[in-house]
Amino acid sequence: SAVISQKPSRDICQRGTSLTIQCQVDSQVTMMFWYRQQPGQSLTLIATANQGSEATYESGFVIDKFPISRPNLTFSTLTVSNMSPEDSSIYLCSVEDTGQGVYEQYFGPGTRLTVT
Amino acid sequence: GQQLNQSPQSMFIQEGEDVSMNCTSSSIFNTWLWYKQDPGEGPVLLIALYKAGELTSNGRLTAQFGITRKDSFLNISASIPSDVGIYFCAGQLYTGNQFYFGTGTSLTVIP
Repeated sequence: SAVISQKPSRDICQRGTSLTIQCQVDSQVTMMFWYRQQPGQSLTLIATANQGSEATYESGFVIDKFPISRPNLTFSTLTVSNMSPEDSSIYLCSVEDTGQGVYEQYFGPGTRLTVT
Repeated sequence: GQQLNQSPQSMFIQEGEDVSMNCTSSSIFNTWLWYKQDPGEGPVLLIALYKAGELTSNGRLTAQFGITRKDSFLNISASIPSDVGIYFCAGQLYTGNQFYFGTGTSLTVIP
């Protein structure tokens, strides 16, 4: 299975600022995903990031608020822009793994963001 | 998006007891995944299911892909304190589509 790391692991930010979260995978993957998990809640998909194309955003999420980069097959960034306290969440990077011919999805450890 | 309902929402059990939880949807899925999430960590994949009726085990964990393809079940036998956490199901409508996550089942094991 893919090993995924995220930076930073946590941060406390002031309202109105932006934070960029990095996701690094130890193998090349086609699809990477960014999720948000609000306190005590399930996971909500923000966007799907494929290398060489623009990210595809889910309903309720827009590129201006959550710009995503995918410069190569092992790395992606998610920026949370112009933050407000409502953006306080855990942000999770995820990748698909079809190495065994079946579809599985693995997650990074998450970035815990608190906006004050 | 798709709604996946998990039940129960939370469970408090004695160490050594067996646990059962399920995940239901109004849509037909072709893949089910079960995850466990510890506090402050990302979800960890436990079991993957790909065919209706499939029964798959991973140690003390057993999961089944429902015959109707609208549900899945996870059982944990002889629970131990480290089983504590939140368990999520995730369903995929078709290959390449996103996974939709269930509402989660919080498990507490009392030593």
